[in-house]
Amino acid sequence: GAVVSQHPSWVICKSGTSVKIECRSLDFQATTMFWYRQFPKQSLMLMATSNEGSKATYEQGVEKDKFLINHASLTLSTLTVTSAHPEDSSFYICSAEGGNQPQHFGDGTRLSIL
Amino acid sequence: DAKTTQPTSMDCAEGRAANLPCNHSTISGNEYVYWYRQIHSQGPQYIIHGLKNNETNEMASLIITEDRKSSTLILPHATLRDTAVYYCIVNQGGSEKLVFGKGTKLTVNP
Repeated sequence: GAVVSQHPSWVICKSGTSVKIECRSLDFQATTMFWYRQFPKQSLMLMATSNEGSKATYEQGVEKDKFLINHASLTLSTLTVTSAHPEDSSFYICSAEGGNQPQHFGDGTRLSIL
Repeated sequence: DAKTTQPTSMDCAEGRAANLPCNHSTISGNEYVYWYRQIHSQGPQYIIHGLKNNETNEMASLIITEDRKSSTLILPHATLRDTAVYYCIVNQGGSEKLVFGKGTKLTVNP
Protein backbone atom coordinates (compact mmCIF):
# COMPACT_ATOMS: atom_id res chain seq x y z
CA GLY A 1 0.00 0.00 0.00
CA ALA A 2 0.86 3.65 -0.22
CA VAL A 3 3.49 4.86 2.21
CA VAL A 4 3.89 8.30 3.70
CA SER A 5 7.01 8.95 5.73
CA GLN A 6 7.23 11.69 8.31
CA HIS A 7 10.40 12.88 9.99
CA PRO A 8 11.36 13.37 12.75
CA SER A 9 9.06 11.18 14.82
CA TRP A 10 9.66 13.27 17.90
CA VAL A 11 11.54 16.43 18.81
CA ILE A 12 12.21 18.34 21.99
CA CYS A 13 13.52 21.86 21.80
CA LYS A 14 13.75 25.11 23.67
CA SER A 15 11.17 27.84 23.46
CA GLY A 16 11.87 30.30 20.66
CA THR A 17 13.51 27.88 18.25
CA SER A 18 12.10 26.85 14.89
CA VAL A 19 11.36 23.26 14.02
CA LYS A 20 11.00 21.74 10.56
CA ILE A 21 8.96 18.58 9.93
CA GLU A 22 9.20 16.68 6.65
CA CYS A 23 6.49 14.64 4.99
CA ARG A 24 7.31 12.41 2.04
CA SER A 25 5.16 10.22 -0.18
CA LEU A 26 7.42 7.28 -0.95
CA ASP A 27 5.65 5.43 -3.72
CA PHE A 28 3.21 7.84 -5.31
CA GLN A 29 3.09 11.44 -6.41
CA ALA A 30 1.19 13.56 -3.94
CA THR A 31 -0.58 16.41 -5.65
CA THR A 32 -2.08 17.48 -2.34
CA MET A 33 -0.70 17.22 1.17
CA PHE A 34 -2.45 18.05 4.40
CA TRP A 35 -1.13 19.01 7.82
CA TYR A 36 -3.04 18.17 10.97
CA ARG A 37 -2.50 18.79 14.66
CA GLN A 38 -3.78 16.63 17.48
CA PHE A 39 -3.84 17.57 21.15
CA PRO A 40 -4.11 14.88 23.85
CA LYS A 41 -7.45 13.06 23.91
CA GLN A 42 -8.74 15.12 21.01
CA SER A 43 -9.35 14.37 17.37
CA LEU A 44 -7.22 15.52 14.44
CA MET A 45 -7.69 19.13 13.42
CA LEU A 46 -6.72 20.22 9.93
CA MET A 47 -4.23 23.07 9.88
CA ALA A 48 -3.61 23.57 6.18
CA THR A 49 -3.83 22.10 2.71
CA SER A 50 -0.96 22.39 0.28
CA ASN A 51 -0.77 21.72 -3.43
CA GLU A 52 2.53 21.21 -5.18
CA GLY A 53 3.96 24.47 -6.43
CA SER A 54 1.38 26.77 -4.89
CA LYS A 55 0.77 28.50 -1.58
CA ALA A 56 -0.88 26.56 1.20
CA THR A 57 -4.47 27.18 2.24
CA TYR A 58 -4.75 27.60 6.00
CA GLU A 59 -7.76 26.79 8.15
CA GLN A 60 -9.37 29.54 10.15
CA GLY A 61 -7.41 30.37 13.25
CA VAL A 62 -4.10 28.92 12.04
CA GLU A 63 -1.35 31.51 11.74
CA LYS A 64 0.32 31.19 8.36
CA ASP A 65 3.37 33.16 9.49
CA LYS A 66 3.92 30.82 12.39
CA PHE A 67 3.32 27.56 10.55
CA LEU A 68 5.22 27.79 7.27
CA ILE A 69 4.36 25.15 4.71
CA ASN A 70 6.37 24.37 1.62
CA HIS A 71 5.30 21.83 -1.00
CA ALA A 72 8.09 22.15 -3.52
CA SER A 73 7.79 18.73 -5.15
CA LEU A 74 5.24 16.01 -5.69
CA THR A 75 6.83 13.88 -2.99
CA LEU A 76 7.81 16.35 -0.28
CA SER A 77 6.08 18.87 1.92
CA THR A 78 7.56 20.56 4.97
CA LEU A 79 5.99 22.28 7.96
CA THR A 80 8.13 24.73 9.90
CA VAL A 81 6.94 25.84 13.32
CA THR A 82 8.63 29.21 13.77
CA SER A 83 9.58 30.59 17.17
CA ALA A 84 7.90 27.67 18.88
CA HIS A 85 6.45 28.08 22.36
CA PRO A 86 5.14 25.53 24.88
CA GLU A 87 1.57 25.98 23.65
CA ASP A 88 2.73 24.69 20.24
CA SER A 89 3.56 21.33 21.80
CA SER A 90 1.37 18.81 20.03
CA PHE A 91 1.24 15.81 17.72
CA TYR A 92 1.64 16.96 14.12
CA ILE A 93 0.51 14.61 11.35
CA CYS A 94 0.70 14.93 7.59
CA SER A 95 -1.26 13.13 4.92
CA ALA A 96 -0.84 12.87 1.18
CA GLU A 97 -3.23 12.33 -1.69
CA GLY A 98 -2.52 11.72 -5.34
CA GLY A 99 -3.99 10.01 -8.37
CA ASN A 100 -6.35 7.24 -7.38
CA GLN A 101 -4.95 6.90 -3.87
CA PRO A 102 -7.08 7.75 -0.85
CA GLN A 103 -5.32 9.95 1.69
CA HIS A 104 -2.55 8.18 3.52
CA PHE A 105 -1.02 9.46 6.70
CA GLY A 106 2.44 9.67 8.16
CA ASP A 107 3.15 8.35 11.63
CA GLY A 108 3.21 11.82 13.12
CA THR A 109 5.75 14.02 14.88
CA ARG A 110 5.49 14.60 18.59
CA LEU A 111 6.73 18.11 19.32
CA SER A 112 7.60 19.16 22.85
CA ILE A 113 8.66 22.73 23.52
CA LEU A 114 10.35 23.38 26.85
CA ASP B 1 -17.97 19.86 11.55
CA ALA B 2 -17.99 16.12 11.01
CA LYS B 3 -21.00 14.86 9.07
CA THR B 4 -21.03 11.49 10.80
CA THR B 5 -22.22 10.12 14.13
CA GLN B 6 -20.52 7.17 15.80
CA PRO B 7 -20.80 5.54 19.23
CA THR B 8 -18.15 6.80 21.60
CA SER B 9 -16.84 3.36 22.51
CA MET B 10 -17.34 -0.33 21.89
CA ASP B 11 -15.91 -3.57 23.23
CA CYS B 12 -15.31 -6.79 21.36
CA ALA B 13 -13.94 -10.19 22.32
CA GLU B 14 -10.80 -11.35 20.58
CA GLY B 15 -11.61 -13.62 17.64
CA ARG B 16 -15.14 -12.33 17.27
CA ALA B 17 -16.42 -9.98 14.60
CA ALA B 18 -16.40 -6.28 15.44
CA ASN B 19 -19.25 -4.32 13.86
CA LEU B 20 -18.79 -0.56 14.01
CA PRO B 21 -21.80 1.55 13.00
CA CYS B 22 -21.82 5.02 11.50
CA ASN B 23 -24.68 7.36 10.69
CA HIS B 24 -24.31 9.83 7.84
CA SER B 25 -27.87 10.87 7.10
CA THR B 26 -26.87 14.06 5.24
CA ILE B 27 -24.46 12.38 2.85
CA SER B 28 -24.48 13.78 -0.68
CA GLY B 29 -24.76 11.68 -3.81
CA ASN B 30 -21.13 12.19 -4.75
CA GLU B 31 -19.65 11.59 -1.30
CA TYR B 32 -17.84 8.44 -0.33
CA VAL B 33 -17.75 6.80 3.09
CA TYR B 34 -14.18 6.42 4.34
CA TRP B 35 -12.94 4.53 7.37
CA TYR B 36 -9.65 5.18 9.10
CA ARG B 37 -8.32 4.01 12.42
CA GLN B 38 -5.75 5.47 14.77
CA ILE B 39 -3.75 3.31 17.09
CA HIS B 40 -2.38 5.17 20.08
CA SER B 41 0.44 7.61 19.23
CA GLN B 42 0.40 6.79 15.51
CA GLY B 43 -0.99 8.47 12.42
CA PRO B 44 -4.38 7.34 11.10
CA GLN B 45 -4.40 4.23 8.94
CA TYR B 46 -6.64 3.94 5.90
CA ILE B 47 -8.96 0.94 6.10
CA ILE B 48 -11.55 1.04 3.34
CA HIS B 49 -13.96 3.28 1.48
CA GLY B 50 -17.07 2.93 -0.64
CA LEU B 51 -19.72 4.88 -2.51
CA LYS B 52 -22.83 2.71 -2.49
CA ASN B 53 -21.82 -0.89 -3.02
CA ASN B 54 -20.49 -3.04 -0.24
CA GLU B 55 -16.73 -3.34 -0.25
CA THR B 56 -14.26 -5.86 1.14
CA ASN B 57 -10.50 -5.88 1.37
CA GLU B 58 -7.89 -7.71 3.40
CA MET B 59 -8.58 -5.59 6.45
CA ALA B 60 -12.34 -5.24 6.66
CA SER B 61 -15.74 -5.16 5.01
CA LEU B 62 -17.89 -2.08 4.54
CA ILE B 63 -21.65 -2.43 4.40
CA ILE B 64 -23.55 0.64 3.19
CA THR B 65 -27.33 0.77 3.48
CA GLU B 66 -29.35 1.19 0.31
CA ASP B 67 -30.34 4.76 1.24
CA ARG B 68 -26.67 5.45 2.09
CA LYS B 69 -27.61 7.08 5.36
CA SER B 70 -25.61 4.65 7.45
CA SER B 71 -22.85 2.11 7.17
CA THR B 72 -21.11 -0.59 9.18
CA LEU B 73 -17.45 -1.46 9.26
CA ILE B 74 -16.86 -5.12 9.97
CA LEU B 75 -13.62 -6.56 11.26
CA PRO B 76 -14.32 -10.27 10.79
CA HIS B 77 -11.95 -11.67 13.40
CA ALA B 78 -10.83 -8.97 15.80
CA THR B 79 -7.41 -9.22 17.39
CA LEU B 80 -5.85 -7.27 20.23
CA ARG B 81 -3.98 -5.21 17.64
CA ASP B 82 -7.29 -3.90 16.34
CA THR B 83 -7.77 -1.86 19.50
CA ALA B 84 -7.88 1.72 18.19
CA VAL B 85 -10.09 4.71 17.53
CA TYR B 86 -12.08 4.19 14.34
CA TYR B 87 -13.16 7.18 12.30
CA CYS B 88 -15.98 7.20 9.76
CA ILE B 89 -15.72 10.14 7.36
CA VAL B 90 -17.79 11.23 4.37
CA ASN B 91 -15.84 12.97 1.65
CA GLN B 92 -15.90 13.55 -2.08
CA GLY B 93 -12.46 12.05 -2.41
CA GLY B 94 -9.58 13.46 -4.36
CA SER B 95 -8.06 16.56 -2.81
CA GLU B 96 -10.97 17.31 -0.49
CA LYS B 97 -9.94 17.58 3.15
CA LEU B 98 -10.93 14.93 5.68
CA VAL B 99 -12.92 16.17 8.68
CA PHE B 100 -12.40 13.95 11.70
CA GLY B 101 -15.07 13.55 14.36
CA LYS B 102 -14.46 11.88 17.68
CA GLY B 103 -14.66 8.35 16.30
CA THR B 104 -15.35 5.10 18.12
CA LYS B 105 -12.82 3.75 20.57
CA LEU B 106 -12.82 0.00 19.99
CA THR B 107 -11.31 -2.15 22.69
CA VAL B 108 -10.65 -5.77 21.84
CA ASN B 109 -10.52 -7.88 24.98
CA PRO B 110 -8.66 -11.19 25.37
